[in-house]
Amino acid sequence: QKEVEQNSGPLSVPEGAIASLNCTYSDRVSQSFFWYRQYSGKSPELIMSIYSNGDKEDGRFTAQLNKASQYVSLLIRDSQPSDSATYLCAVNGGKTGTASKLTFGTGTRLQVTL
Amino acid sequence: GAGVSQTPSNKVTEKGKYVELRCDPISGHTALYWYRQSLGQGPEFLIYFQGTGAADDSGLPNDRFFAVRPEGSVSTLKIQRTERGDSAVYLCASSAEPLDEQFFGPGTRLTVL
Repeated sequence: QKEVEQNSGPLSVPEGAIASLNCTYSDRVSQSFFWYRQYSGKSPELIMSIYSNGDKEDGRFTAQLNKASQYVSLLIRDSQPSDSATYLCAVNGGKTGTASKLTFGTGTRLQVTL
Repeated sequence: GAGVSQTPSNKVTEKGKYVELRCDPISGHTALYWYRQSLGQGPEFLIYFQGTGAADDSGLPNDRFFAVRPEGSVSTLKIQRTERGDSAVYLCASSAEPLDEQFFGPGTRLTVL
């Protein structure tokens, strides 16, 4: 079982719709959860962090965390073509190795269509 | 500088050669991380520095890989006797403190011919 799992996609949504990206993790003691956006040929850019159960909103982005289900999601409202990218879920604070290192999923490719 | 910087942006080398990749973290950030990303994969942890010391080097694939951070700021990742399988994008990230948000540099694309 992979430590952090994401559907590779592509996830295709029309412009203006809500995009829902999901991630599950295996290490129950994980503490912190992050979403990064990565455009093709570029490095990951941090867009959201979440540390406690519930929702966290920042502009068009909402991160949701459910530690009991070991599940974290990212909602993008009013999706724009510029949101088309790969979204990486990352987790730290687990049992293996230092708590600080990030463990990433393989990413979900999002395509926002006109 | 405003963000994490990495040099060079691209490095092409021949199998068996030695390479050095440099990372300059965000000013004041005590924690520095190296990751490696292959096509279609998420970044994979290599090594983590807290200050000058390597707090966790469990991700280094073998003893050909070594990294230093002598003054607690700039870090250099060194790869000896490069192999074609070392070809990847090498990413550096820094955070203000351990467990804080990590910010990535632009990466160095290493190609071993």
